[in-house]
Amino acid sequence: EDQVTQSPEALRLQEGESSSLNCSYTVSGLRGLFWYRQDPGKGPEFLFTLYSAGEEKEKERLKATLTKKESFLHITAPKPEDSATYLCAVQAGRDDKIIFGKGTRLHILP
Amino acid sequence: DGGITQSPKYLFRKEGQNVTLSCEQNLNHDAMYWYRQDPGQGLRLIYYSQIVNDFQKGDIAEGYSVSREKKESFPLTVTSAQKNPTAFYLCASSITHGNYGYTFGSGTRLTVV
Repeated sequence: EDQVTQSPEALRLQEGESSSLNCSYTVSGLRGLFWYRQDPGKGPEFLFTLYSAGEEKEKERLKATLTKKESFLHITAPKPEDSATYLCAVQAGRDDKIIFGKGTRLHILP
Repeated sequence: DGGITQSPKYLFRKEGQNVTLSCEQNLNHDAMYWYRQDPGQGLRLIYYSQIVNDFQKGDIAEGYSVSREKKESFPLTVTSAQKNPTAFYLCASSITHGNYGYTFGSGTRLTVV
């Protein structure tokens, strides 16, 4: 069964304390891996798409990387405004089905 | 600005009542999607449409119905057959189905009263 697992479920960091969020996946025929940011009561906002192992994408304090089994979202020197839930999604299979993980709730303390 | 508009933001449904959630996009995207989000669970796909006048069931289609008569619009009806409809509903669109990220709307929170 295709699965996407995000860890940790929740993470509290001090402002400026760098860390990484993990997204591990078990799917057949990966077509793409997506990261989204979701603020409370709002729709997810697209961050990155990664297509192949070894690929990296960066945006401000965020950097996403991809291996054959997992993806990491690295957050460097985070600020309180980076607090949000970060969602990982994988597109795979013959029908290009997208499977979402349950997300990581990130809280940055000032 | 291009984007996806969902309305209403909050919706209350009485037992046995059908309600329709609106989703409109001006991005000229071919594919549109409806997801349901519950606390502690990942987004679950209800229905999707790759092109006008065509749509497919997702993982949890029972108790829901959709139509796609125009490229810009993909309304979702929550019928009385859906026994646990209280949730946050998200509409999304993509350039085409496959290999592209989604643009999401701001969501509709449906509550049964």
